[in-house]
Amino acid sequence: DQQVKQNSPSLSVQEGRISILNCDYTNSMFDYFLWYKKYPAEGPTFLISISSIKDKNEDGRFTVFLNKSAKHLSLHIVPSQPGDSAVYFCAASAWGSGGGADGLTFGKGTHLIIQP
Amino acid sequence: DAGVTQSPTHLIKTRGQHVTLRCSPISGHKSVSWYQQVLGQGPQFIFQYYEKEERGRGNFPDRFSARQFPNYSSELNVNALLLGDSALYLCASSRGVAGTQYFGPGTRLTVL
Repeated sequence: DQQVKQNSPSLSVQEGRISILNCDYTNSMFDYFLWYKKYPAEGPTFLISISSIKDKNEDGRFTVFLNKSAKHLSLHIVPSQPGDSAVYFCAASAWGSGGGADGLTFGKGTHLIIQP
Repeated sequence: DAGVTQSPTHLIKTRGQHVTLRCSPISGHKSVSWYQQVLGQGPQFIFQYYEKEERGRGNFPDRFSARQFPNYSSELNVNALLLGDSALYLCASSRGVAGTQYFGPGTRLTVL
């Protein structure tokens, strides 16, 4: 049973526009959420995170929104750039940002393609 | 500072063989975690080690084992390889058990 779901396998966005990647979770024990970006032949790169006590966290072009009642989070990238083309993974943890004894639980990823 | 390093980059084994994968964490990080990523899926947690002790284990068979050394580097061992063990094996390090995890480039294991 998937506890973290990314229902869009791929997303195509024009350069300069906003990219919105979505993630849903089912486990109420999750208290920390992270987004990782992955290029082919590389490991995932940490992007941004949010604690369950917040509903928004911003870092430059990246903003993560958390809706606890809906068990939903989203990553907004504004403006989208060609270098943003990658697979984006949503991850969740019940032990702070590192996953602790249970590790991080990942979604299947969304392949973001930025069109010129 | 150097990031997480893993060796080897690629590995080809046959069914029934044994494999050892290696990971060096970021300097100052005392926790190492291992993940398996099969094609089309997100990474799946295998183990977490902190201060040379196993702190967490995912839903993997006993054929998978790991250890952490005094310099905080780590090895992942897989015995009696199956075709289904073909995957990208990722190592991540963090300062502590609950710190943000930073991933290495992975080892691509192919089992024939």
